[in-house]
Amino acid sequence: SQQGEEDPQALSIQEGENATMNCSYKTSINNLQWYRQNSGRGLVHLILIRSNEREKHSGRLRVTLDTSKKSSSLLITASRAADTASYFCATDAKKDSSYKLIFGSGTRLLVRP
Amino acid sequence: DAMVIQNPRYQVTQFGKPVTLSCSQTLNHNVMYWYQQKSSQAPKLLFHYYDKDFNNEADTPDNFQSRRPNTSFCFLDIRSPGLGDAAMYLCATSRDHPTYNEQFFGPGTRLTVL
Repeated sequence: SQQGEEDPQALSIQEGENATMNCSYKTSINNLQWYRQNSGRGLVHLILIRSNEREKHSGRLRVTLDTSKKSSSLLITASRAADTASYFCATDAKKDSSYKLIFGSGTRLLVRP
Repeated sequence: DAMVIQNPRYQVTQFGKPVTLSCSQTLNHNVMYWYQQKSSQAPKLLFHYYDKDFNNEADTPDNFQSRRPNTSFCFLDIRSPGLGDAAMYLCATSRDHPTYNEQFFGPGTRLTVL
C-alpha cells in the first residue's frame, strides 16, 4: 500500500500565485523528500526534511513537516510557468534490512502564464 | 557533469519478445534502483542493488530481472513483455540507502509493447 497520499491531485493557478501541496503518510519516518517530474521526464529531487525538522526552505520552496499529524506541505511562492510539473512526496521505509523510498500519488500543478 | 543515463529513451517491442533496458551512472553511487511508472501514477519500485546485493520487491513479477555487472551499469531485463508492462521505466541512484540520501533519476525509458 502507498505510504504517501497527496492532496490535491491537480492544481491550476495563475503565474505569480502561491501553490500549496499536501502529503500525508501512514507510518513513522526518518525523512520525507519532495521531487518534481516534468512531463515524460525523470524525477528531480527538491528538498529532504528529516523527522526532527519542522520547516525547511530552498529558494522559492518551503516545506513543513508535522510528525504528530503525519503530514507535510510544499509551498511554491511566486509561481512561474516553468513550475508546471507533477510533484511527489516520498517517505523512507525499512523492510527487513533494506531501505527504500515510497512515493505518493503526486499533485499535478499547472501554472497558467 | 555527473549523471544517470538511460538507453534507449524509447523502446518498442512485441508481445513476448525479450527486451533489455540499460542504465549507467557517473556518480559512483552505491545504490541503483529500477522503478516502473504508469501514466499519472507514482513510481513503483521494482528492485534495487545496494552495491552487489540485490533486493527484490515482493510484488515484482518474475518476468522482471536485473543485472549489475559493475558499479556504473545496471540492466533491466523483461523476459516476456505483456501489454501491461507498457510504462516508463526509471533508473535512479543514491550514494547510500535512502534514509538520508536523495535519489538521482535518469530521464527514463518509455516502453511500448505491441
